[in-house]
Amino acid sequence: EAGVAQSPRYKIIEKRQSVAFWCNPISGHATLYWYQQILGQGPKLLIQFQNNGVVDDSQLPKDRFSAERLKGVDSTLKIQPAKLEDSAVYLCASSSLKTGEAFFGQGTRLTVV
Amino acid sequence: GDSVTQMEGPVTLSEEAFLTINCTYTATGYPSLFWYVQYPGEGLQLLLKATKADDKGSNKGFEATYRKETTSFHLEKGSVQVSDSAVYFCALPSGGSYIPTFGRGTSLIVHP
Repeated sequence: EAGVAQSPRYKIIEKRQSVAFWCNPISGHATLYWYQQILGQGPKLLIQFQNNGVVDDSQLPKDRFSAERLKGVDSTLKIQPAKLEDSAVYLCASSSLKTGEAFFGQGTRLTVV
Repeated sequence: GDSVTQMEGPVTLSEEAFLTINCTYTATGYPSLFWYVQYPGEGLQLLLKATKADDKGSNKGFEATYRKETTSFHLEKGSVQVSDSAVYFCALPSGGSYIPTFGRGTSLIVHP
């Protein structure tokens, strides 16, 4: 079974630039999550989708972050404009409604300079 | 809200030493509890879980027992290997959902 795919693996941008991350969940998984993991901390949930609807985006900084999951499969997370404090690993995870267990991608490491 | 607290790292051990990484939780009710592992350069993987009080989760020589009297879910391994070097996260589902809420992670470094 293919895992959660994320791209790119690494990205370096200057502050105030924009960036987008892509996630392809495990086939058939209805639920998709984006997490932000700042160095030395545990992952923090940014947004949860179920199919193509948003379930929880209470921790998403909506003035600069946006996410979508068109057609209930792939998802993109965008930051515009980026700030230095956005430097982190962005993790995508997916889970099935049946088991609830979350499977994580390898993440995208973002460095804002 | 529901949360977990882990011991701070890094934990540095010699190969074949005994490992304990402490985790305590605060929750309403008795949620499932998880340990995730993150190897260098890789994503998070579920290591083990326990779904109710007194359950013991185990995998790859690691064990953790869900103890409601002490609200703990400590991770243990009898004999660590260099390949166990990673960051370990204690987690629980938040707010009655399946969304994992993570501790800050404990780095384990095992020397030959």
